[in-house]
Amino acid sequence: QKEVEQNSGPLSVPEGAIASLNCTYSDRGSQSFFWYRQYSGKSPELIMSIYSNGDKEDGRFTAQLNKASQYVSLLIRDSQPSDSATYLCAVEVNKFYFGSGTKLNVKP
Amino acid sequence: KAGVTQTPRYLIKTRGQQVTLSCSPISGHRSVSWYQQTPGQGLQFLFEYFSETQRNKGNFPGRFSGRQFSNSRSEMNVSTLELGDSALYLCASSLGAGAGNQPQHFGDGTRLSIL
Repeated sequence: QKEVEQNSGPLSVPEGAIASLNCTYSDRGSQSFFWYRQYSGKSPELIMSIYSNGDKEDGRFTAQLNKASQYVSLLIRDSQPSDSATYLCAVEVNKFYFGSGTKLNVKP
Repeated sequence: KAGVTQTPRYLIKTRGQQVTLSCSPISGHRSVSWYQQTPGQGLQFLFEYFSETQRNKGNFPGRFSGRQFSNSRSEMNVSTLELGDSALYLCASSLGAGAGNQPQHFGDGTRLSIL
């Protein structure tokens, strides 16, 4: 079992819709959770961090954490074509573990 | 504040050669991790250094090695290059052990092509 699991996608949503990206992790000792965005041919860029149960909002992005269910999600409201990228979920427990990423396509 | 700097950005080598990649972390960051990413693949963890000591190591052959200097700069070396080593090599830095709840920040990567 991988430490961090993500659906590889692609996830296709129309422009203006809400994109929902999900991630599960295996280590209950995990304390820090991150979402990265990676455009094709570029390096990952940190977009959200979350450390406690509940929701954390930053502009159009909302990260949700449920430690009991070992589940992290990222919601992107009012999706734009420029949001089209691969989104990586990362979990830290003594070291960083990355999921394989979900490819998001936002169609104009 | 300068970000993570990786050099060179692009590199072309032939099979059997060796290569050294360099990474300068964000000022004040003491942890440096290296990842390999091939097309369509996720990040494959190579190793992590903190205070000049290797803290974690991924499942790569011994041809892949690294080190960290007292100024936290890190180098990664790959010997006896194989075609399959063609990839984007990413370096990421963070404050490091004990800092708690600190993300990694990535450099732009070194794209290595093996002919």
